[in-house]
Amino acid sequence: EVQLVESGGDLVQPGGSLRLSCGASGFTFSHHAMSWVRQVPGKGLEWVSRVTYDGGQTSYADSVKGRFTISRDDSKNTLFLQMNSLRAEDTAVYYCARHLIGWHVFIGDYWGQGTLVTVSS
Amino acid sequence: DIVLTQSPGTLSLSPGDRATLSCRASLSVTNAYLAWYQQKPGQAPRLLIYGASTRATGVPDRFSGSGSGTDFTLSISRLEPEDFAVYFCQQYGNSPFTFGQGTKLEIK
Repeated sequence: EVQLVESGGDLVQPGGSLRLSCGASGFTFSHHAMSWVRQVPGKGLEWVSRVTYDGGQTSYADSVKGRFTISRDDSKNTLFLQMNSLRAEDTAVYYCARHLIGWHVFIGDYWGQGTLVTVSS
Repeated sequence: DIVLTQSPGTLSLSPGDRATLSCRASLSVTNAYLAWYQQKPGQAPRLLIYGASTRATGVPDRFSGSGSGTDFTLSISRLEPEDFAVYFCQQYGNSPFTFGQGTKLEIK
C-alpha cells in the first residue's frame, strides 16, 4: 500500500525557518517525481514545488521561489521542503504528493495527510 | 498563469441525482491536461480524473469527465452518500500548475 507521511509542521515566527519531511513507503520512491502542494484551511490548493525522480531538477511557484528548497533522499525514501524567510501567507497545510507520470506534468495520484505550518508572532 | 474558475460554488443535490460540475480555464489547457480531485473534510485530495476523461485507478464509473480547450465538466451519474465533498479541477499542462477554487457538493 502506498503511504506518504508528512511531518515537521509547527508554529514559527515570521522570518523563521522550518523543514518539512515526507516519508514514502509501498512503492519505489526513486522512480517517481514528487511535489509539495499547500492549502490554507478551508480554502483552495496551491502547487508549491516539484522535484524529478533523481533530484536533478526542481521548480517552484513564484510565491516561494528563492525562499523554499525541495530535495529528496532516495536512500531514506524521504522528500524534504526547506522553508526559509517564512511569511504569514505561508500558513497552510502542506501535502506531499506523488506524480502519476513524469516530472513535466503534475498529476497527484497519492497524497499524504498533510502537516500544518502556522506562521505567526 | 492559467486561472481555473469552477461553478457553481455550491451544489445542493440528493442521493441518486446527477451532478454536473464545471471548470473554465482562462487560457486553453494544453492537450486537455485537466484533472479532477475529490476532497472530504480533514482528508487529502483524491485523484478522480486526469487527461480530462481518464478515470484514476479504483474510481467508480459513475464519475466521468469531459471537455477540451477552456471548458471542462465532471459528471457524477447517480450520487452516493459518500460523493458529497468538495471537488477541485487542476490543469497540469503549464507550470505553475493551478487549481480551481472548488465546488462544494452538499446534500439537499
